[in-house]
Amino acid sequence: AQSVSQHNHHVILSEAASLELGCNYSYGGTVNLFWYVQYPGQHLQLLLKYFSGDPLVKGIKGFEAEFIKSKFSFNLRKPSVQWSDTAEYFCAVNANNAGNMLTFGGGTRLMVKP
Amino acid sequence: GAGVSQSPRYKVAKRGQDVALRCDPISGHVSLFWYQQALGQGPEFLTYFQNEAQLDKSGLPSDRFFAERPEGSVSTLKIQRTQQEDSAVYLCASSLISRALDGELFFGEGSRLTVL
Repeated sequence: AQSVSQHNHHVILSEAASLELGCNYSYGGTVNLFWYVQYPGQHLQLLLKYFSGDPLVKGIKGFEAEFIKSKFSFNLRKPSVQWSDTAEYFCAVNANNAGNMLTFGGGTRLMVKP
Repeated sequence: GAGVSQSPRYKVAKRGQDVALRCDPISGHVSLFWYQQALGQGPEFLTYFQNEAQLDKSGLPSDRFFAERPEGSVSTLKIQRTQQEDSAVYLCASSLISRALDGELFFGEGSRLTVL
């Protein structure tokens, strides 16, 4: 069965700091990878996704993620965070043999101090 | 509204009661998912519909959980004889196309169930 690990449960940064949130998955086959964000009081929204091609994926609001197959990782990055990035971030994986099922990590709660 | 709508937003039930949670997906969306999110954890897959057909219910934790989407639009998640461990936020998501993960999943705000 596939699983997703997000090692940082809580991250606190000051504005303009760089961000990297870790995501590792366990599945040896072909995967589709996603990052979702949940702003306070709002629903989950898609930040970016990787299906194939360039392993460096750019998403909305200046976020990007890099798929490193050899490390089973899909870390999320942003060069300079803003207070408005305060949210919970979820990495998710779909294995090609899992139909339409997404497996989510436990989430990382990011707080950006103004 | 334009998004996925879920009701009720909050539900408190006594242990042993039955509950029903409703999801109104975005109009025309073919795929519909239910997820369970316990406190401090990520969402966990429960079940998936393509139109009215329930194609995957492998995530339903017990036979007390039942989901339906009889006309291929609104869906209801029913939990019978609720237990304390059922306390969670229940998320509904929909997608326009049948291969849902090729498109974007749109999530509702969830129904928070507390079982006393």
